[in-house]
Amino acid sequence: DVKVTQSSRYLVKRTGEKVFLECVQDMDHENMFWYRQDPGLGLRLIYFSYDVKMKEKGDIPEGYSVSREKKERFSLILESASTNQTSMYLCASSLGAGGKETQYFGPGTRLLVL
Amino acid sequence: EDQVTQSPEALRLQEGESSSLNCSYTVSGLRGLFWYRQDPGKGPEFLFTLYSAGEEKEKERLKATLTKKESFLHITAPKPEDSATYLCAVQAYGTASKLTFGTGTRLQVTL
Repeated sequence: DVKVTQSSRYLVKRTGEKVFLECVQDMDHENMFWYRQDPGLGLRLIYFSYDVKMKEKGDIPEGYSVSREKKERFSLILESASTNQTSMYLCASSLGAGGKETQYFGPGTRLLVL
Repeated sequence: EDQVTQSPEALRLQEGESSSLNCSYTVSGLRGLFWYRQDPGKGPEFLFTLYSAGEEKEKERLKATLTKKESFLHITAPKPEDSATYLCAVQAYGTASKLTFGTGTRLQVTL
């Protein structure tokens, strides 16, 4: 079974803090993704990566950066947290064989920025 | 731009009362349509992938179907444990594995 884990289930941070969210997958997947989920807006893609050290912007990258130094690990960084970044953050991974592929999700991190 | 619209937003059924959830989509070239189930406070759990019009897939009380414009998730004789939010997403050709999600249908099944 694919397993995607996220470093924290809940986080409370102050405005202006630097925040790191980590995601690890154990299935040797090429692709990894970061989404945020907000009521009424659904899941929106922040960034994704299709290889180590490669990254591409999603639909809402502003205020975020990412890092992928190892294949199994994909980090989301909030350089200076703001209250409008309070959200549920979801990491996903997919095989990335270039064909039809399914994304598997982690349990999510609920971030509250005060 | 790819778009996914799910209806209804919320649905309340009694146990055993069958119904269908709708996912309408517009996409330049459909690579795949995905259904997920999400329980409160958890990440989405994969259910089905459909690739071409006419395809159907089943899992327990759930059956997903696909046409050129929409997909249906049929729930037969639901049980309270089927209560969850059901998400639909599309993947288009040329979008580098990206998914576009709908906002989901929140299903509640009561005794």
